[in-house]
Amino acid sequence: NAGVTQTPKFRILKIGQSMTLQCTQDMNHNYMYWYRQDPGMGLKLIYYSVGAGITDKGEVPNGYNVSRSTTEDFPLRLELAAPSQTSVYFCATLPRGPNEKLFFGSGTQLSVL
Amino acid sequence: LAKTTQPISMDSYEGQEVNITCSHNNIATNDYITWYQQFPSQGPRFIIQGYKTKVTNEVASLFIPADRKSSTLSLPRVSLSDTAVYYCLVGVNTNAGKSTFGDGTTLTVKP
Repeated sequence: NAGVTQTPKFRILKIGQSMTLQCTQDMNHNYMYWYRQDPGMGLKLIYYSVGAGITDKGEVPNGYNVSRSTTEDFPLRLELAAPSQTSVYFCATLPRGPNEKLFFGSGTQLSVL
Repeated sequence: LAKTTQPISMDSYEGQEVNITCSHNNIATNDYITWYQQFPSQGPRFIIQGYKTKVTNEVASLFIPADRKSSTLSLPRVSLSDTAVYYCLVGVNTNAGKSTFGDGTTLTVKP
């Protein structure tokens, strides 16, 4: 099992460009999350999904959009990139059951210049 | 969502036991407490989870008092490779997993 796979690992955007961060999982977990982490800070929840076709906002959703058409994939879309979106983005999944713990991808480092 | 408070940083030496305490005064009845470890340029990794009293696994112990308003992660005999940021989360098992990550505790292990 690959677990949680994020692509790309690094990306540089110009102000106003758009891009999609990809996240895919092969663990059949219903719950998926997108976090951002600024230098020296904790993770902040952007969006989450409790299953295919269902998404909801987290703490810092402005400037982002998500979709969840399948259990496996949870892409994060940045429209009109801004320097404030320079951050490391992590995707995570959560199984439901007696041992519920978050599984994280390796992250995407994004710079908006 | 329960908020957590941890020390910003801690220093230790190789071979020592390290205890990191987290406060979570508004923990809900059904919330579990979970600790994660994060190395630079990596996603957080699960360490241990518990509900009350004491839980031990191969890498750490977790102590939770009866009132559950705090918890202590204990790392026995740390090594240089334990240098990382440690996060305490409350309620991953509730609220659709929307736990709040604080800023964590940066543990630096010195030789």
